[in-house]
Amino acid sequence: LAKTTQPISMDSYEGQEVNITCSHNNIATNDYITWYQQFPSQGPRFIIQGYKTKVTNEVASLFIPADRKSSTLSLPRVSLSDTAVYYCLVTGGSYIPTFGRGTSLIVHP
Amino acid sequence: ETGVTQTPRHLVMGMTNKKSLKCEQHLGHNAMYWYKQSAKKPLELMFVYNFKEQTENNSVPSRFSPECPNSSHLFLHLHTLQPEDSALYLCASSQGVSVGQLQETQYFGPGTRLLVL
Repeated sequence: LAKTTQPISMDSYEGQEVNITCSHNNIATNDYITWYQQFPSQGPRFIIQGYKTKVTNEVASLFIPADRKSSTLSLPRVSLSDTAVYYCLVTGGSYIPTFGRGTSLIVHP
Repeated sequence: ETGVTQTPRHLVMGMTNKKSLKCEQHLGHNAMYWYKQSAKKPLELMFVYNFKEQTENNSVPSRFSPECPNSSHLFLHLHTLQPEDSALYLCASSQGVSVGQLQETQYFGPGTRLLVL
């Protein structure tokens, strides 16, 4: 079971780029990296998923180095509405993805 | 709107009551999940159903009883709950080719906020 480690909290300001790094040292060959976003009193929402190198969608970018032992979620030009908890998960294999405590991002005006 | 709905959104019940939470997904998925999220704690997986078969029961007390009559509906029956069971109960669904399989993205409902008095 691949365990993930990410910062408990981060602060940023509107308009800045935010990078949240996640460590997953024992990621397996068949595993993917998936990020979710959760607002208070709501269910988590899928943001992005990747296997290696870089993935970009309309919401975020995901950077994964060659050794895949870490990944970085990049949120360009954050706004107040990006204040949420962000979860990094390793998904794949025969186990259920496990949500950790995530990173609580607070965006200030 | 994620395609997963949950009712009720809020529920207050006494410790002797019996109530049920309902989840419905409109995504054509085959796997459904119940999670519990207590204040300032990570999501705790409770139950997993894949193709209507329960594949995971994460040591959940028997006062929580799941039911999956078909791939689109999932229930959580509650009876004789304790105050510490107060939490946000989240339902999720995924494609369900194989639980935890590659690219098994989960889609969550809005949750039911439960308060046990």
